[in-house]
Order: sequence, then structure tokens, then C-alpha cells
Amino acid sequence: KAGVTQTPRYLIKTRGQQVTLSCSPISGHRSVSWYQQTPGQGLQFLFEYFSETQRNKGNFPGRFSGRQFSNSRSEMNVSTLELGDSALYLCASSLSFGATKNIQYFGAGTRLSVL
Amino acid sequence: DAKTTQPNSMESNEEEPVHLPCNHSTISGTDYIHWYRQLPSQGPEYVIHGLTSNVNNRMASLAIAEDRKSSTLILHRATLRDAAVYYCIRPSNAGNMLTFGGGTRLMVKP
Repeated sequence: KAGVTQTPRYLIKTRGQQVTLSCSPISGHRSVSWYQQTPGQGLQFLFEYFSETQRNKGNFPGRFSGRQFSNSRSEMNVSTLELGDSALYLCASSLSFGATKNIQYFGAGTRLSVL
Repeated sequence: DAKTTQPNSMESNEEEPVHLPCNHSTISGTDYIHWYRQLPSQGPEYVIHGLTSNVNNRMASLAIAEDRKSSTLILHRATLRDAAVYYCIRPSNAGNMLTFGGGTRLMVKP
């Protein structure tokens, strides 16, 4: 079974631009979560989608948004990019929602550099 | 509060056992404890999880204290490929969001 796939792997943008990152979860998984990883802040939760609905949101500005499609694939969008948005963006999928025994499976991430 | 406390770093010799501790003193009775690790330049990967009793899988063992306020991840024979940051996490029961602390950076010496 294929793992979590994130595209693209690397991205370079300039300040003020917007970017869209894509995540394909493991087949059959309906929950997709997004995380941002930076050297200073570590791994931080962005948001989670289940059955096309955003279920949880982390403490990030409104420039960060996401969506989930009926096939469970998810995209996240960052508008008006800032230098501080340079990070590794990770996507994780899980079979179901709301139980602390659920295991998260992570992709390799998209490394975004904002110049 | 989903906080866990882990040492910042640990060192081990190759082929020796490693015990990685974690404190989670405010854990509730129904919350699982999960361990993930992140190898260099990769996304985190699941290692093991448990609720009350000790758990074993092909990667590691998890020993959970009787009062559930702490747990220990055990790598029975550390290899160079086990050098990673290990995260002890209490997942939220309101969803699948994980709160990552700083984790323990494990260094394995040949």
C-alpha cells in the first residue's frame, strides 16, 4: 500500500506570492492533518480535515488555509508569503477521527523556501 | 494539558539497549501514549503506542508505569539507523492533532 504522498517536494517562492501544497493520504484514510516544522518552533499543528470538513485548527494566521476533497486528498494554501513561512510542511493521514489510539502516518514533506 | 517531558538528548553505543524516558503526569485514564521518531530529512514515523500494559512490536518496546504518569521506550539493540529525534506524545481526543514537544535526540555511537 502506498504511503502518504506530498507534492511538490521542494518549492521556492518570493515574498507576497501564494503557494498550494498537495497531500494524498494512504488509501482508505479519511483524516488528513497538516504540520509546519521550523528550526525555531519545531513541529506545529496547522489544521485537520475529516470527511471534507475542517475539524481542528492550530494557532496560525488566516493566510494559512486548507481543504479536503471527496477522495480525501488535501491541499493547503498559504497566501501573501512571508520570509517566516519558510519551513518543512508535513502532511499526516489517519484511518479515522477522534480516538487517541489513532496512528498518524506522515509524508516526507514539502520544503518551502521564501526569498 | 497534553504536555509530556523528555530529556533533550541521549547517547548510546551501537548494539546496546536504549531506554528513552517520558513523563506525562497529567494523563487521563483513557488516553494512549504514542511514540514517533523523526530521522534526518524525513517526516516523523510511528514507533509504538500503548494504554496501560507494556507493548512490543518489531521496532521497540513500550513500558508504561503502573500509575501511567511515565513511560519508557526501549530499543533493544540500537543501530546507527536509530539515530533520530524521538517524540513522546499524548494525542488529543478531540481529533488526530498531535502536540510535539522538543523530543529526545538520540545519538548512536559506533
